[in-house]
Amino acid sequence: DAKTTQPTSMDCAEGRAANLPCNHSTISGNEYVYWYRQIHSQGPQYIIHGLKNNETNEMASLIITEDRKSSTLILPHATLRDTAVYYCIVRSYYGQNFVFGPGTRLSVLP
Amino acid sequence: DTGVSQNPRHKITKRGQNVTFRCDPISEHNRLYWYRQTLGQGPEFLTYFQNEAQLEKSRLLSDRFSAERPKGSFSTLEIQRTEQGDSAMYLCASSLYGGANTGELFFGEGSRLTVL
Repeated sequence: DAKTTQPTSMDCAEGRAANLPCNHSTISGNEYVYWYRQIHSQGPQYIIHGLKNNETNEMASLIITEDRKSSTLILPHATLRDTAVYYCIVRSYYGQNFVFGPGTRLSVLP
Repeated sequence: DTGVSQNPRHKITKRGQNVTFRCDPISEHNRLYWYRQTLGQGPEFLTYFQNEAQLEKSRLLSDRFSAERPKGSFSTLEIQRTEQGDSAMYLCASSLYGGANTGELFFGEGSRLTVL
């Protein structure tokens, strides 16, 4: 599975959009981009995933560049409860497991 | 369905003792994963099962670690002769693999191990 690179930390003001970037320049054609988040002392939580089209669900939007070498997770109206570590993972659809990096620590500030 | 359940949530043990963690996955999920997480790091994959078959175990940290899923439902992770370096959060996750399913993992709350 391809490796991902994310910023170590980011801040966002409450009520504003949080845009979390992820680079995955070695992604291959059959690999999906998945996003998870982990709130302190809890297990990781699935957010969203996509292949090449932009995706939206009740939690977030995922924007994938046309060359698929990077993506952005968007939390449209961040709240204090969105403070967490966000993990970007690239994995083939039938891959064995999800490889977690250190992620991005997002702090939503009042 | 209440999601993935892990027990115990916290375990404190003395070095050299054996510990066992249990994971009850979401009932219809056929895949079950174990991860370990230390402070400030992302979860680290250990092993996984599809039904009762353990399909990958080379990432288990040493031969002191073993996992079972005897009937394809709940799973146990055992650590023998614990060491202080085994102190970590042990996470279990399950997923539904195959067909049109998206394969995302559903995690439990984890079992935190402290080895004194």
